[in-house]
Amino acid sequence: EAGVAQSPRYKIIEKRQSVAFWCNPISGHATLYWYQQILGQGPKLLIQFQNNGVVDDSQLPKDRFSAERLKGVDSTLKIQPAKLEDSAVYLCASSLDLAKAMGQYFGPGTRLTVL
Amino acid sequence: AQSVTQLGSHVSVSEGALVLLRCNYSSSVPPYLFWYVQYPNQGLQLLLKYTSAATLVKGINGFEAEFKKSETSFHLTKPSAHMSDAAEYFCAANTGTASKLTFGTGTRLQVTL
Repeated sequence: EAGVAQSPRYKIIEKRQSVAFWCNPISGHATLYWYQQILGQGPKLLIQFQNNGVVDDSQLPKDRFSAERLKGVDSTLKIQPAKLEDSAVYLCASSLDLAKAMGQYFGPGTRLTVL
Repeated sequence: AQSVTQLGSHVSVSEGALVLLRCNYSSSVPPYLFWYVQYPNQGLQLLLKYTSAATLVKGINGFEAEFKKSETSFHLTKPSAHMSDAAEYFCAANTGTASKLTFGTGTRLQVTL
């Protein structure tokens, strides 16, 4: 079974530029998550999708971050404009469904450096 | 609000020694609890999970964890450390919104010869 795919793996941009990350979840997984992991911290949930609908985006900085999952499969996360404090690893995860007992399966992440 | 506390940001053990990584949660509702491992430049891999069945949970790579409600703890153990266990370990809990996880700050495990 193929895992969660993410691209690119690394990205370096200057502040005020825009950037986009892509995620392809495990086939058949209805729930998709984007996390931000700052160095030395645990992952923090940014947004959660169930199929193509948003379940939770309470911690997404909506003035600069946006995410979509138009067809209920792939998802993109965009930052525009980027700030220095956005430097982090952005992790995508998926799970079969919303059930609390479900484990989440993580992709390798995209390491973003904002200069 | 739910929180997860991992005591010790760095733990060092000798190869063959017992591994003990501590995790405490704060929640009025018994949560579902998870341990994840993260190797350098990789995503998180699920080690094991507690979902209100058996309190002693066995996971992959010889790890296990015991849920103790009276102590609000879910410590991760392995009887004998191996060099390949060196990684960062995260404890996570889920009590609220369906499947939303709250992570601890992580514990970096170092294994020495």
